[in-house]
Amino acid sequence: GENVEQHPSTLSVQEGDSAVIKCTYSDSASNYFPWYKQELGKRPQLIIDIRSNVGEKKDQRIAVTLNKTAKHFSLHITETQPEDSAVYFCAASKTDKLIFGTGTRLQVFP
Amino acid sequence: GAVVSQHPSRVICKSGTSVKIECRSLDFQATTMFWYRQFPKQSLMLMATSNEGSKATYEQGVEKDKFLINHASLTLSTLTVTSAHPEDSSFYICSARETGTIQYFGAGTRLSVL
Repeated sequence: GENVEQHPSTLSVQEGDSAVIKCTYSDSASNYFPWYKQELGKRPQLIIDIRSNVGEKKDQRIAVTLNKTAKHFSLHITETQPEDSAVYFCAASKTDKLIFGTGTRLQVFP
Repeated sequence: GAVVSQHPSRVICKSGTSVKIECRSLDFQATTMFWYRQFPKQSLMLMATSNEGSKATYEQGVEKDKFLINHASLTLSTLTVTSAHPEDSSFYICSARETGTIQYFGAGTRLSVL
């Protein structure tokens, strides 16, 4: 089955810097890749997603890139703010099931 | 966006009792609901996929008799942890999907079994 690896597990950045989180997946048939943000004790919130027919998608300070050949996708957050601090999960799907990565704890220091 | 309600948010129970967790889609009809388990500082592990009117599909290693799932309507799925034991203590989260691929998550239920 699908396996999703995510790196780094923790990431600390200064406010205003950029943050990049990377994920790789194993099943070349996967075609949907969402990113979720989860604050402590809260529900995961979808922040951006990308489908396999697109290489890049941007929404304000957040962007996601997908390399189907290499089977990896990345989340880019620019101009980070303290409220971006949370755990970020990537996921991959080819049917209706989401397979999640192990998560990245992002800390943005003021 | 779509809203998924999950209750209770927290439950503490004695070992051997059963606990029911409800997941409701408030403003859309969920053709599919999913149940996840999340251990502290770990990822979301899919337990089962629940389709309205049919039996749930469980992931490998998840005991169907231990974790009973009922999807009685297009807006409600329930997870019952039967004869709960301390090792069942965890954060359980549901999600719901309408017709697309986006899953909307509930706020989770923290289960503590004494």
